[in-house]
Amino acid sequence: GESVGLHLPTLSVQEGDNSIINCAYSNSASDYFIWYKQESGKGPQFIIDIRSNMDKRQGQRVTVLLNKTVKHLSLQIAATQPGDSAVYFCAETYFGNEKLTFGTGTRLTIIP
Amino acid sequence: NAGVMQNPRHLVRRRGQEARLRCSPMKGHSHVYWYRQLPEEGLKFMVYLQKENIIDESGMPKERFSAEFPKEGPSILRIQQVVRGDSAAYFCASSLSGNGYTFGSGTRLTVV
Repeated sequence: GESVGLHLPTLSVQEGDNSIINCAYSNSASDYFIWYKQESGKGPQFIIDIRSNMDKRQGQRVTVLLNKTVKHLSLQIAATQPGDSAVYFCAETYFGNEKLTFGTGTRLTIIP
Repeated sequence: NAGVMQNPRHLVRRRGQEARLRCSPMKGHSHVYWYRQLPEEGLKFMVYLQKENIIDESGMPKERFSAEFPKEGPSILRIQQVVRGDSAAYFCASSLSGNGYTFGSGTRLTVV
């Protein structure tokens, strides 16, 4: 399944499948991007980050892709598990700026 | 390392009362940030503080809201004369030097 960010804020994926969550960021000056996972009643939890001098970065079961030309960021989660159910936010900032600008978020639901 | 500690977890105030939200950063962290999150939305930056200094308060409402981070003790976000629109989750984050935010679990303020 695939989310288109603001236009599809809810994504349901079968357990074991891969999921892709998209984010369109707003500031062309942003050079640092972060994906956060937020479970119900909790604060945002860091998942993975990427700097603008890269277009792909991989972690454990997660991959972030950055397309600066169209100001697009995506998070791929491989082999989804029930514990992946949460709201996922992208955030952007730039060097020297302490503030993060968050996207609206996508709610990911893993279907057992 | 207990992480970023926020209290209370839940706070109920009547309109016109004062709300005080506390945040103890991670040990050794001298940068503190406050964010507000409305239901089904992303986090919005409010204020960035270092010990005894407000560095950036561009996201703070001009009236009724104030923040401090004293030399000793937690950071405090204070909301005077609360209104229903102040109901939200308020998250604190800390960092060592401006990189690598860690968020707390938030305080959920309900104004009745």
